[in-house]
Amino acid sequence: GDSVTQMEGPVTLSEEAFLTINCTYTATGYPSLFWYVQYPGEGLQLLLKATKADDKGSNKGFEATYRKETTSFHLEKGSVQVSDSAVYFCALTNTGGFKTIFGAGTRLFVKA
Amino acid sequence: SAVISQKPSRDICQRGTSLTIQCQVDSQVTMMFWYRQQPGQSLTLIATANQGSEATYESGFVIDKFPISRPNLTFSTLTVSNMSPEDSSIYLCSVSPGTASYNEQFFGPGTRLTVL
Repeated sequence: GDSVTQMEGPVTLSEEAFLTINCTYTATGYPSLFWYVQYPGEGLQLLLKATKADDKGSNKGFEATYRKETTSFHLEKGSVQVSDSAVYFCALTNTGGFKTIFGAGTRLFVKA
Repeated sequence: SAVISQKPSRDICQRGTSLTIQCQVDSQVTMMFWYRQQPGQSLTLIATANQGSEATYESGFVIDKFPISRPNLTFSTLTVSNMSPEDSSIYLCSVSPGTASYNEQFFGPGTRLTVL
């Protein structure tokens, strides 16, 4: 079945450091890929998405490119801020269905 | 986008009791989902609730334990029945504007449940 694997956390960075959170997936067909973020005490919210191969999703300085050849959707940000501290979830929704599969989540701590 | 509220935001319950969680959406939506998020874990889908039909439960979840109602396109409830400490978790509802794979989900703030 479909699955999402993302790097384990926690990830601890200093402010203005470069961030990469790796995400790979297994799916048949042509899934859409998502990154959701969960700030402390809140529900999940969509950070960015990509719906087909080579698409780049971007939002709030974060980017991720849908790489079908490597089945990856790594999240990157050039300069993190303390306010980026949160849990990040990679997810996919496959064609022909509406069930979303979430990765385990990666907790990010950014120190001032 | 959709704005979703949940009640209660948190509760502490005794073993053997039941709790009903409400989810209200500010617009009409077809697809509504209930998830469980155990401490430090990812989201596990409990069931999909569509208005006018029975909820569809995922493997490991049954209607007797987690009955769901979906009386209209803006509201749903999830009941956690005969609770045990293992049910301590965050329960999240979410909605999607459609059934296409490119539709993102919008999440409520969650209900944090502690069972003693």
